[in-house]
Amino acid sequence: KQEVTQIPAALSVPEGENLVLNCSFTDSAIYNLQWFRQDPGKGLTSLLLIQSSQREQTSGRLNASLDKSSGRSTLYIAASQPGDSATYLCAGDITGNQFYFGTGTSLTVIP
Amino acid sequence: DTGVSQNPRHKITKRGQNVTFRCDPISEHNRLYWYRQTLGQGPEFLTYFQNEAQLEKSRLLSDRFSAERPKGSFSTLEIQRTEQGDSAMYLCASSFQGGSYEQYFGPGTRLTVT
Repeated sequence: KQEVTQIPAALSVPEGENLVLNCSFTDSAIYNLQWFRQDPGKGLTSLLLIQSSQREQTSGRLNASLDKSSGRSTLYIAASQPGDSATYLCAGDITGNQFYFGTGTSLTVIP
Repeated sequence: DTGVSQNPRHKITKRGQNVTFRCDPISEHNRLYWYRQTLGQGPEFLTYFQNEAQLEKSRLLSDRFSAERPKGSFSTLEIQRTEQGDSAMYLCASSFQGGSYEQYFGPGTRLTVT
């Protein structure tokens, strides 16, 4: 079973700051790694998917990297905005059939 | 296409009652997944379908839980004889096999068992 850990559990930053969220996983034979955003009481919104043959993906102000050898992924958010406030979840998949989720990082961006 | 939809969005039921949730995936997606999420935790995998076949089930899915996807389109998740511990958000996701397997989630069904 894939164990996924996210650090920190909570993060508060002033608007405009760049930040990094960390995700670690126990099984380096990872197939896909996906980052999601979840607003309170809502479903998950897909942010970025990194497939096993890839090292990173970028979308707008977001950049996610994957280092399978060290069992780590990072999500970089540039020039943070109050609208970025949410819980960010990473999920690792080793079979192509199911994702194992971390417990998330709760981000607050202070105006 | 408006994405993955789930109904109802909220369900309050008394302990011992049966409940059924529905998920409509993105139309061209042949894989459908069910997850359960409790407060402060990440989603936990329950089961997934490829077309109409249920290919994997978690040990979390007790005998009181059953899922179907009869025509390979929408899916239902039924919980029989609900218990207070079943209170959670039930999330559905879909993806396209043969593509990137990127999962797209619905808004979830919030179940409260009183």
